[in-house]
Formats: sequence, structure tokens, C-alpha cells
Amino acid sequence: SQQGEEDPQALSIQEGENATMNCSYKTSINNLQWYRQNSGRGLVHLILIRSNEREKHSGRLRVTLDTSKKSSSLLITASRAADTASYFCATEAANYQLIWGAGTKLIIKP
Amino acid sequence: GAVVSQHPSWVICKSGTSVKIECRSLDFQATTMFWYRQFPKQSLMLMATSNEGSKATYEQGVEKDKFLINHASLTLSTLTVTSAHPEDSSFYICSARDSRLGEKLFFGSGTQLSVL
Repeated sequence: SQQGEEDPQALSIQEGENATMNCSYKTSINNLQWYRQNSGRGLVHLILIRSNEREKHSGRLRVTLDTSKKSSSLLITASRAADTASYFCATEAANYQLIWGAGTKLIIKP
Repeated sequence: GAVVSQHPSWVICKSGTSVKIECRSLDFQATTMFWYRQFPKQSLMLMATSNEGSKATYEQGVEKDKFLINHASLTLSTLTVTSAHPEDSSFYICSARDSRLGEKLFFGSGTQLSVL
């Protein structure tokens, strides 16, 4: 599958700070999803934003979507050590196929 | 919430043997199952998509005779790596979707395969 792009590839911040990750894609989408993966584990769905939505919140997570720029951002506020993980975006194209980003490795220093 | 149980979590086998990985949806109907392969520090690579009762659709470059996928019921899909070789060593993850629950995917915990 063609991969989307995420940046940064890795991010290390201090506990309590906010973490922002970005995802860019190339085709028209139905929705964009963010997932989290702890080392050596499966992925956990975090949040889904539809193509007609611009912003969505879930707890400490805030996702934005700019379809004109074909990009999305995931903001984690007041980060915690337990937020340390890899974060992936996935876009669902019109043919319902999911295209995965390369992931951002987030490290929260206590 | 919806849970996908994948096992084994890890397996070490000799070259030439076959390994079966199971993926079960515990409290929902997995109308579609996806099998991924993931190399260290990389993203997911989709191997195949299977719908219950149908043959799996394999991605380009994935050998269907080597990676046998069976999705015989709405709660179980298996991936069999036949005649495994060291280059098949990888982290394999399944995910499932219930069309009634929307677009969200539910993932198994993954299987680390090491072929000696």
C-alpha cells in the first residue's frame, strides 16, 4: 500500500508538554484515523475524523484535518510518560482501502 | 469494547516448518480481516484482506501459496506461514472490522515470528 507521510519521525519531549504530530497524504479520503502502538504490541484506535470535519477532540487528544492541504495533525496535551508509543495515521480512500503513514515515535521523558 | 485475540504472541521455529497464527474476534463479527507485517521501526505493510467465506485478496508481492489465509467464520481468521525461512521473521498483526461498527479497526496484539 502506498504510505502517507508523517513527521516528525521521532519526538522526545518532557512530561507535561504538548506533543504535535503531522500526517500528510496524497489522495482524496473518506476519513483519517490515528492509532497508537506500544512497542511490540498491536495498534489501538485513538480517533477518527471524517473528510467533512475540521477538528475533533477526545480527552487530551485534538485532531485537525485540512483537506485542501491534505494534512492532519494530532495534538496530545499535557503529555504523560504513559503516552510514550508510536503513533500512526491511516487514511481511508474512496475505495475503502487504508493507507498507513510511516509513524511517529513519541518519547515522553519523566 | 471490541477485542481481537491473536496468538501465539511469539513463536520460534526451525527453517522449513509451518507456523499458524490465529486471530479471533471475541465480541463482534469480523466481516473483514486484515493481515499485516511490520518490520522493526517501520509502518504496517498490508499483506492481505479477507472477507468471511471468501478467498483472501493478496497485496502485490505477497505470495499466496506461502502465506495461507483462511477466514472460515465471522470470528476466526488464520495465517499460516508455510515452509518458513529466516527472511519470514517479522512481527505479524491482524486487524478486524465489523461493518456494523463503522470504519474503526480492532487490532490483535501481534505475533513475533523468529525463524532459525
